[in-house]
Amino acid sequence: GQNIDQPTEMTATEGAIVQINCTYQTSGFNGLFWYQQHAGEAPTFLSYNVLDGLEEKGRFSSFLSRSKGYSYLLLKELQMKDSASYLCAVMDSNYQLIWGAGTKLIIKP
Amino acid sequence: GAVVSQHPSWVICKSGTSVKIECRSLDFQATTMFWYRQFPKQSLMLMATSNEGSKATYEQGVEKDKFLINHASLTLSTLTVTSAHPEDSSFYICSARPRGLDYNEQFFGPGTRLTVL
Repeated sequence: GQNIDQPTEMTATEGAIVQINCTYQTSGFNGLFWYQQHAGEAPTFLSYNVLDGLEEKGRFSSFLSRSKGYSYLLLKELQMKDSASYLCAVMDSNYQLIWGAGTKLIIKP
Repeated sequence: GAVVSQHPSWVICKSGTSVKIECRSLDFQATTMFWYRQFPKQSLMLMATSNEGSKATYEQGVEKDKFLINHASLTLSTLTVTSAHPEDSSFYICSARPRGLDYNEQFFGPGTRLTVL
């Protein structure tokens, strides 16, 4: 079967760095996405990785290792507004997104 | 660019009525639109994939006669929840994949919160 695993919840301190991991097993691979979702809102796109390595975009970076079926989202200089759920999703061979359950990130002052 | 709208944002209806939700891509054409449902504290669940001009493909366990999808044009898809019941109360989100985009990003609408009394 296909599955995406990520931690249910993480807590970090304002100004710090946090890494959210995602492991996956899917039928084929056409890229991995990270989305941010605030409570009661739709997801917003953060990053897309299809090749191995690190993609950096401002305070957020995303890493992919296809051989390990592994990705992480790195958030630097955490701000209170970063409190949200972070969803990892993999596009399979049928170009369908397989979603993780999301990681709820709690930022404390 | 790449804005997707949904209407209505929220709706409350009585059990047994039907509710239509619209999803529009405002500044691009979408060959494919997706309908998701999300229950509280759960991840997105894909309900169906809609391609313009053809019948929607429903995920296993989703009743196609209850959740009617019409992808009338390259910028509009509608989801109609027929004979809604309280267990259909959920957050419904659509997304659209732009035509001709060289990678596979989907752009999400803001979601519609449905409450069935």
